[in-house]
Amino acid sequence: EIVLTQSPGTLSLSPGERATLSCRASQSVTSSFLAWYQQKPGQAPRLLIYGASSRATGIPDRFSGSGSGTDFTLTISRLEPEDFAVYYCQQYDISPGTFGQGTKVEIK
Amino acid sequence: QLQLQESGSWPVKPSQTLSLTCTVSGGSITSGGYSWNWIRQPPGKALEWIAYIYHSGSTYYNPSLKSRVTISVDRSKNQFSLKLTSVTAADTAVYYCARGRVVIAIPFFDYWGQGTLVTVSS
Repeated sequence: EIVLTQSPGTLSLSPGERATLSCRASQSVTSSFLAWYQQKPGQAPRLLIYGASSRATGIPDRFSGSGSGTDFTLTISRLEPEDFAVYYCQQYDISPGTFGQGTKVEIK
Repeated sequence: QLQLQESGSWPVKPSQTLSLTCTVSGGSITSGGYSWNWIRQPPGKALEWIAYIYHSGSTYYNPSLKSRVTISVDRSKNQFSLKLTSVTAADTAVYYCARGRVVIAIPFFDYWGQGTLVTVSS
C-alpha cells in the first residue's frame, strides 16, 4: 500500500501568515488522485481539495493544492482564525486508499 | 444538505462483534453513483478506510480487515451498516461513515458523519 508522510508534524503560525503543508507518497500517485481534508477537534474531517488541486464545493480560494507524482502541497495563503486545525492528505489511486498521519496547524 | 449519522451498540468486549449503522438524511442512498463508506481513526493515529458499498449491494473491502468485516445496505431505511467480528483493543477507534466519490475503484470522501467512539474493553 502507499504510505503518505506529512510534514511538518506541527506548524506554528500567526493569523494572516501563509501555511505550506507537505504530503509525500512512498510511490507515485498517478492521475493526481490525492485529496486534502481539514479536521477540527471533535468534528468530522471536511473535504478541501481533490484531484490534487480542485477545491471542493464551498471551500475558500485561500486554500490551494498542487503537486504530482510523489510530492503534493496544500497551501493556505493567509491563515484565518478558523483555519487552525489538523490537515490530512489521502491517496485514492492504489488500493487501499490511505491517509497521512496529519499536520497540525496551531496558533503561534 | 446531506447528513450522515452513526449509531450502534457499545461498549464491545474483546472477541465480540461490533455493529454500527449509518443513517443518511437529506438525500437518497440510491441516487447518483456514490459509494457508502466506513472509516475509522484509532486514538492518536491516522484515518483508516474500512469498506464501502453501493446501493446495488456491490462491496469493496480493505484487504487488511476483509476477513472480519461485513458491510450491508438497507435501501428502504436509507441506511448502511458495518459488522466487525472478533474485536480486540486495537479496534478501539472513532468510527465514521462517509459518502465516497469513486473515480476508478477507490473513493475520496465528501460528506462525513460526526463519528462515534467505540471502545473495546472487558
